[in-house]
Amino acid sequence: DVKVTQSSRYLVKRTGEKVFLECVQDMDHENMFWYRQDPGLGLRLIYFSYDVKMKEKGDIPEGYSVSREKKERFSLILESASTNQTSMYLCASSLPGLAGYEQYFGPGTRLTVT
Amino acid sequence: AQSVTQPDIHITVSEGASLELRCNYSYGATPYLFWYVQSPGQGLQLLLKYFSGDTLVQGIKGFEAEFKRSQSSFNLRKPSVHWSDAAEYFCAVGREDTGRRALTFGSGTRLQVQP
Repeated sequence: DVKVTQSSRYLVKRTGEKVFLECVQDMDHENMFWYRQDPGLGLRLIYFSYDVKMKEKGDIPEGYSVSREKKERFSLILESASTNQTSMYLCASSLPGLAGYEQYFGPGTRLTVT
Repeated sequence: AQSVTQPDIHITVSEGASLELRCNYSYGATPYLFWYVQSPGQGLQLLLKYFSGDTLVQGIKGFEAEFKRSQSSFNLRKPSVHWSDAAEYFCAVGREDTGRRALTFGSGTRLQVQP
């Protein structure tokens, strides 16, 4: 079974802090994704990566950056956390090609910024 | 740009009743369509997918969905709902950004099952 793990289930940070959300997958997937999930808005793509050290902006990249130094690990960075970044963050991974649409998700990190 | 609309935010059905969750998409070409389910405390799981061919697709857990191009819809159905189906359901359309494949999700429909 594909396993996608996220470093924390719950996280509370203060405004202005630098926040790191970590995601690890164990199936050698090329693609990795970061989404945020908000009530009434569904999932919105923040960034994705299709290879080590490669990244692409999604629909809402502002205020976020990412890092992918190893194939299995994809980090989301909030450079200076703000209250409007309080949300559920979901990581996903997939194979290349059409299989790229079949994404495997982690359990999520619920981030609260106070 | 592609978009997905799920008009029902919340649906309640009785256990054993049939279920239909609505999904409409906006996409210029032939779409790739998906349904994902998020059970309480769980990550999203793929229920079923449509790439081409037969417009009625079968998925896991007894779900099916029908692609109707004329209505730009991809509704999810189940003939008899079980209490364990209570979850949030997301419809998604595949897209290609600069040649890379990604998904656009709808806002979700939360399903409640009454005993």
